[in-house]
Amino acid sequence: SQQGEEDPQALSIQEGENATMNCSYKTSINNLQWYRQNSGRGLVHLILIRSNEREKHSGRLRVTLDTSKKSSSLLITASRAADTASYFCATVLELIFGTGTRLQVFP
Amino acid sequence: DVKVTQSSRYLVKRTGEKVFLECVQDMDHENMFWYRQDPGLGLRLIYFSYDVKMKEKGDIPEGYSVSREKKERFSLILESASTNQTSMYLCASSFFRSSYEQYFGPGTRLTVT
Repeated sequence: SQQGEEDPQALSIQEGENATMNCSYKTSINNLQWYRQNSGRGLVHLILIRSNEREKHSGRLRVTLDTSKKSSSLLITASRAADTASYFCATVLELIFGTGTRLQVFP
Repeated sequence: DVKVTQSSRYLVKRTGEKVFLECVQDMDHENMFWYRQDPGLGLRLIYFSYDVKMKEKGDIPEGYSVSREKKERFSLILESASTNQTSMYLCASSFFRSSYEQYFGPGTRLTVT
C-alpha cells in the first residue's frame, strides 16, 4: 500500500536555486524520513523528523512536518549539480515509501 | 560506516529458475528488509526480519521467500522466477523496530527473460 506521495514527480532547476519537494501521507506516524537515491543506486538517509517536531535543519536541508495536514516538505537551499537525484519520503509506523521526486539540477 | 552489501549488481535469469539474492550487513543490526523498486511504484516492502530465523511478510510477498540463518545475512529467494519479477531489488538494515534510519545496499537489478 502506498503511503507517502511526493509532489512534484519531477523538478528541474538551475544551480543555486532552492528546490522544494512535498510529501503527503495517510496514517499516523512516529516519524518521517527523507532519503536520496542517485541514479540506479541504493537509498541514502538524509534526515528524520519526529511526529512532535515541526521543523528540522541539516546543512542545506530543511524539513517541515504538519501532522494536522499529514504532510511534509523538504527544502534544499542553494542547490548544486550533485543534488541531482530522486528524493523519497518514508513514514514510520509502517515502513512505507512514496514514489519519489526526481530532481534535476542544471549547472 | 555501516555497510550493506548485495551479492550482485546485475543478474539475468530465465523464467522458472530459482534465484538467490544475498544481503550482508556489518553493523550488527537487528532489522533487515527486502524491497523492490519499480518505476512509478516507488519502493515496496517484500519481507523483513527483526531477528535471526524470524521473518514477516511485507506488502508484496507473493512469489518470494526469505532466509535469515545468521544475524548479518538476509537472503531473498525467488522460487520460480517470472518476468514480472524483473525489477531493482534493494536490501536495507536498521537498528530498532521501524523507528530509525535504514541503511541501504547498492541494489541488484534483476532481469528475468
